[in-house]
Amino acid sequence: GQQLNQSPQSMFIQEGEDVSMNCTSSSIFNTWLWYKQDPGEGPVLLIALYKAGELTSNGRLTAQFGITRKDSFLNISASIPSDVGIYFCAGQPETSSNTGKLIFGQGTTLQVKP
Amino acid sequence: GAVVSQHPSRVICKSGTSVKIECRSLDFQATTMFWYRQFPKQSLMLMATSNEGSKATYEQGVEKDKFLINHASLTLSTLTVTSAHPEDSSFYICSALRTGVKETQYFGPGTRLLVL
Repeated sequence: GQQLNQSPQSMFIQEGEDVSMNCTSSSIFNTWLWYKQDPGEGPVLLIALYKAGELTSNGRLTAQFGITRKDSFLNISASIPSDVGIYFCAGQPETSSNTGKLIFGQGTTLQVKP
Repeated sequence: GAVVSQHPSRVICKSGTSVKIECRSLDFQATTMFWYRQFPKQSLMLMATSNEGSKATYEQGVEKDKFLINHASLTLSTLTVTSAHPEDSSFYICSALRTGVKETQYFGPGTRLLVL
């Protein structure tokens, strides 16, 4: 089945550093979404991307929908301790655009050292 | 962002009993909701698509008679874990699909189920 390759799997950084993570696929996607999940909570939507090449920011977060429609990245600038959590990319494949279903990456666990 | 609630947030039950989890979209109508299961340190696994007014669509390997889904209104879907066993213990998360020009899934806070 379709899969998303999300990397890195985990990151341990110093407060104030910038962070970058990405997702790639062998299939074309119509939508890319980035979520953050805190322990014991549901994922919270950070950024949604709907068009190839789209670059969107949400505060210190920036995400882009790759031109090939097979990848997306998320950048976090000037990280702070509350950025700690698991970040998931999710995409809607072109082949299931009428179902609303998402394919999820495996997650990137971010730890920030104060 | 849109608000989706789940109830209960955590439940402990005895083996053999049934447990119902509710998922509500609070500020938009959702003809489609999704139910996921998440094991520790893993990603979300889609169990089924809940369709308002029609039968749910289950993913391969998910027993429909075990996980009963009812989407009775445009703001409520329920998942009933029937005859629960310890292996059903997990974190169950629902999402509601907000449609329109920019279709987006919004997630509930999750329900932690522990079957003794």
